[in-house]
Amino acid sequence: GQSLEQPSEVTAVEGAIVQINCTYQTSGFYGLSWYQQHDGGAPTFLSYNALDGLEETGRFSSFLSRSDSYGYLLLQELQMKDSASYFCAVRTDSWGKFQFGAGTQVVVTP
Amino acid sequence: NAGVTQTPKFQVLKTGQSMTLQCAQDMNHNSMYWYRQDPGMGLRLIYYSASEGTTDKGEVPNGYNVSRLNKREFSLRLESAAPSQTSVYFCASSEPQHFGDGTRLSIL
Repeated sequence: GQSLEQPSEVTAVEGAIVQINCTYQTSGFYGLSWYQQHDGGAPTFLSYNALDGLEETGRFSSFLSRSDSYGYLLLQELQMKDSASYFCAVRTDSWGKFQFGAGTQVVVTP
Repeated sequence: NAGVTQTPKFQVLKTGQSMTLQCAQDMNHNSMYWYRQDPGMGLRLIYYSASEGTTDKGEVPNGYNVSRLNKREFSLRLESAAPSQTSVYFCASSEPQHFGDGTRLSIL
């Protein structure tokens, strides 16, 4: 079957670094996306990796290893506003169909 | 502002009633999507449309129908609402996926 696995919750203090892992098993793979969602809000796009390696966007970085069916989102210099749920999502076909993981709740403490 | 607009934002229905959720995007995207999100869970794809005139089932299509009216609009219809369809519904267009603010739907 198809699955995306990510931890359910991660807690860290302000200024720390957090890594959210995502392992996937899907029928097709065209890329891995990451989204942030604050309570009561809509998901917002963070990053997309189609090829192996690290992509850096400000304090957030995303990594992909297609051979390991694995990726991660790295949040650096954590701020209170980073407290949110983070979802990995695999693009499973050429038309743009996506499958989402269950999400990781990141709790940032003072 | 450019983006994805969903209406209504909130709705309460009785079991067996029907309704249509509306979605429009002004980013000239080809692909559009409908997801549902239940508490503590990720987004599950109901239907998607890769281009105007085409629609395909996602993970949880049962009980729903969709219409891609034109490139801008993609509607989701519940023909006979059931309590199990109580959820938050998100429309999105891509790529990357831009989400609307969601419709919070309760079915009693």
